[in-house]
Amino acid sequence: GAVVSQHPSRVICKSGTSVKIECRSLDFQATTMFWYRQFPKQSLMLMATSNEGSKATYEQGVEKDKFLINHASLTLSTLTVTSAHPEDSSFYICSARKGQGSNLYNQPQHFGDGTRLSIL
Amino acid sequence: QKEVEQNSGPLSVPEGAIASLNCTYSDRVSQSFFWYRQYSGKSPELIMSIYSNGDKEDGRFTAQLNKASQYVSLLIRDSQPSDSATYLCAVRFGNEKLTFGTGTRLTIIP
Repeated sequence: GAVVSQHPSRVICKSGTSVKIECRSLDFQATTMFWYRQFPKQSLMLMATSNEGSKATYEQGVEKDKFLINHASLTLSTLTVTSAHPEDSSFYICSARKGQGSNLYNQPQHFGDGTRLSIL
Repeated sequence: QKEVEQNSGPLSVPEGAIASLNCTYSDRVSQSFFWYRQYSGKSPELIMSIYSNGDKEDGRFTAQLNKASQYVSLLIRDSQPSDSATYLCAVRFGNEKLTFGTGTRLTIIP
């Protein structure tokens, strides 16, 4: 199997709070992890790609100082939403891919259960 | 720009019938194709992957890939109400990250 665990599943907090979301690959090593955001009835929006031991690559329009990503080990990546505001309220989903080198292309991405973030 | 296109639906199919979901993509070099299912309020879950031309069957699901025509489809046989969800087509162009379509919302009518 390929299980990705994401915590917490739901966060409700006040505006200005920083929120940390953890993503763990439980039964495989994930060289690459991905962070997505999804608004209601919209498609997945890739925020950033995280590679173990190096800086994350952010998609255009995503503020890297706002959304801090750390991928300190092959099984853990974290996303910290700093000084969150109501417009940051969304469904955040992490995804991990196993495999390295030449067989990377045929590896699917496995998703965590997501974190529903509500900023009051 | 590399793109993945799906009909957003909604697609309504009677229970027990075959649901057919289609996806086209823009780049002939694409190697890997995936179908995900996403229930409302939940994260996507992988249904199938396909890499070679032709059909690949897994239970009630069949993925079909035609690289010459640049399309990939998913057939769901004996559709059940529990199959009602949004189905996401994803393509990996070369060795890059997955590019997702916007999804097709499928409703199975009892």
